[in-house]
Amino acid sequence: EVQLVESGGGLVQPGGSLRLSCAASELTFSNYDMHWVRQGTGKGLEWVSGIGAAGDTYYPASAEGRFTTSRENDKNSLYLQMNNLRAGDTAVYYCVTGRDWNFDSWGQGTQVTVSS
Amino acid sequence: EIVLTQSPATLSLSPGERATLSCRASQSVSRFLAWYQQKLGQPPRLLIYDASNRATGIPARFSGSGSGTDFTLTISSLEPEDFAVYYCQQRSNWAITFGQGTRLEIK
Repeated sequence: EVQLVESGGGLVQPGGSLRLSCAASELTFSNYDMHWVRQGTGKGLEWVSGIGAAGDTYYPASAEGRFTTSRENDKNSLYLQMNNLRAGDTAVYYCVTGRDWNFDSWGQGTQVTVSS
Repeated sequence: EIVLTQSPATLSLSPGERATLSCRASQSVSRFLAWYQQKLGQPPRLLIYDASNRATGIPARFSGSGSGTDFTLTISSLEPEDFAVYYCQQRSNWAITFGQGTRLEIK
């Protein structure tokens, strides 16, 4: 079974930065597209970013260039660099993957709180 | 951006009843539509992909149908563990969006 473990969340002030990591195991990481999905407390799911096996990246139109996703295949790791954070970015951030962008594997998530 | 609208927002039913959840896309997504179930405190679980294919380990009481802009998730006979929030998700033009969710609650 695929294991995805997120880390790097925490409390950050508005305007600050944070880098999330995701450690993947029990899969051939370099073969998989990887994504970040977030969920605010009591809210729905929102796709944050995707990165293909070859390193091509995808973002929603609303990303506004503040978030950057990257990967290190030799470390089975996925990253999300978040800059200029706002209160609206407060959420649980999930690392997810699956064939053809159907997400059958999810981490447990890491909490990001943006507050002064 | 393709907007997915789920209905109803809340569905109140009893165990053993049939549940029908709807997801409508603002433009065609062909059959690139998935359904997820989320229980409190847990990450979502993939139920259906490509509109009608059950994911691994998903019981046969869950079925999906539709194409283009209109999709349906049907639970043929509700079990107690099925009461949760359900989301649809589309993948089209290298972007993903989710519906706002339908809460399935016990009547």
